[in-house]
Amino acid sequence: KAGVTQTPRYLIKTRGQQVTLSCSPISGHRSVSWYQQTPGQGLQFLFEYFSETQRNKGNFPGRFSGRQFSNSRSEMNVSTLELGDSALYLCASSGLRGGTDTQYFGPGTRLTVL
Amino acid sequence: SQQGEEDPQALSIQEGENATMNCSYKTSINNLQWYRQNSGRGLVHLILIRSNEREKHSGRLRVTLDTSKKSSSLLITASRAADTASYFCATDSGGGGSNYKLTFGKGTLLTVNP
Repeated sequence: KAGVTQTPRYLIKTRGQQVTLSCSPISGHRSVSWYQQTPGQGLQFLFEYFSETQRNKGNFPGRFSGRQFSNSRSEMNVSTLELGDSALYLCASSGLRGGTDTQYFGPGTRLTVL
Repeated sequence: SQQGEEDPQALSIQEGENATMNCSYKTSINNLQWYRQNSGRGLVHLILIRSNEREKHSGRLRVTLDTSKKSSSLLITASRAADTASYFCATDSGGGGSNYKLTFGKGTLLTVNP
């Protein structure tokens, strides 16, 4: 099976712009989670989607949003970018076996905000 | 906030030696997972240990879990230069036994010198 893919891999934006990142989960996986990784805050949970519904949300401002499509692919959007949004954004997918399951991560999108 | 705290923050050893990393967490968990990350890339899942398990092995990896002390350890035996990476523990904090909301520690940077 192909792994989790994320596009683009690298992105440079300026303050005030918005950005959309894409994630394609492992085939058959219905849960997609997003994480932000920065040197200062480490890995932080953004949100999780399952069957096009947001099930969990981390402690991030409303500028961060996401969605999931019927094919389980997911996008996250950050509006009005700030310098502090520079980070590695990781997407993870998980199968559903009625509970605990392993999350498989993609290679990440490195966002730089100038 | 970080659920897990890895110790030490950095570890440097010689090839062939064993490496031990520790993780402490604050709240009750359903499971604990260890991940590896090479130089700012995606996370690679290493091992998952459930709250009712005390020890688990996978190849050169050995993980222990002590729920009474809220701590876990990861042992890598006979380390190789290729093991050089950051290692993170992650606990699930989702409801109903779901691990779709992982909380990560800040990681241990392991350097294995040839």
